[in-house]
Amino acid sequence: AQSVTQLGSHVSVSEGALVLLRCNYSSSVPPYLFWYVQYPNQGLQLLLKYTSAATLVKGINGFEAEFKKSETSFHLTKPSAHMSDAAEYFCAVVNFNNDMRFGAGTRLTVKP
Amino acid sequence: NAGVTQTPKFQVLKTGQSMTLQCAQDMNHNSMYWYRQDPGMGLRLIYYSASEGTTDKGEVPNGYNVSRLNKREFSLRLESAAPSQTSVYFCASTNQRDQPQHFGDGTRLSIL
Repeated sequence: AQSVTQLGSHVSVSEGALVLLRCNYSSSVPPYLFWYVQYPNQGLQLLLKYTSAATLVKGINGFEAEFKKSETSFHLTKPSAHMSDAAEYFCAVVNFNNDMRFGAGTRLTVKP
Repeated sequence: NAGVTQTPKFQVLKTGQSMTLQCAQDMNHNSMYWYRQDPGMGLRLIYYSASEGTTDKGEVPNGYNVSRLNKREFSLRLESAAPSQTSVYFCASTNQRDQPQHFGDGTRLSIL
């Protein structure tokens, strides 16, 4: 089964700084990839998805991610962090039998 | 817009007790999923149902059973609860591999 690895269980940035959350996938063919965000005591919300249409994907709340086949990466970025971005972020890949596998998550802290 | 509804939201069980977690979606989705979320491990797939009438094991199926009652409902049963099953359980649904999964708000289950 395909899987994803998120590098860094915790990331801390200052408000206004660049956010970079890393995700690498294991697949020999372009997969379907997703980024989700989870706020405390809530379910997961979709930030953005990659389904092979475009390598640079724009999502909600100013987030975007770039699919790089040569690096098997799908890193999530935001140019300027906001306090409301503090949450846990999950990268996920969908396998051919339709099941989804998640990374371990990255908790983002935004300092004032 | 109800989306994915999970019941109950919280439950405390004693070791050895049985319990069924309920999930219903109103989006006419074909596929439904059960995950458990534990600190530092992301979401792990327990079971999924690609379509009505089918169920398949995910990463961590031991100790669980599922029933796809109809297109809307997908239940998860713990026959003899163990402390290792203390977790937050999420149900999700989707229609296609390249579409995001929609998540419920979770069931927080503690087993003493």
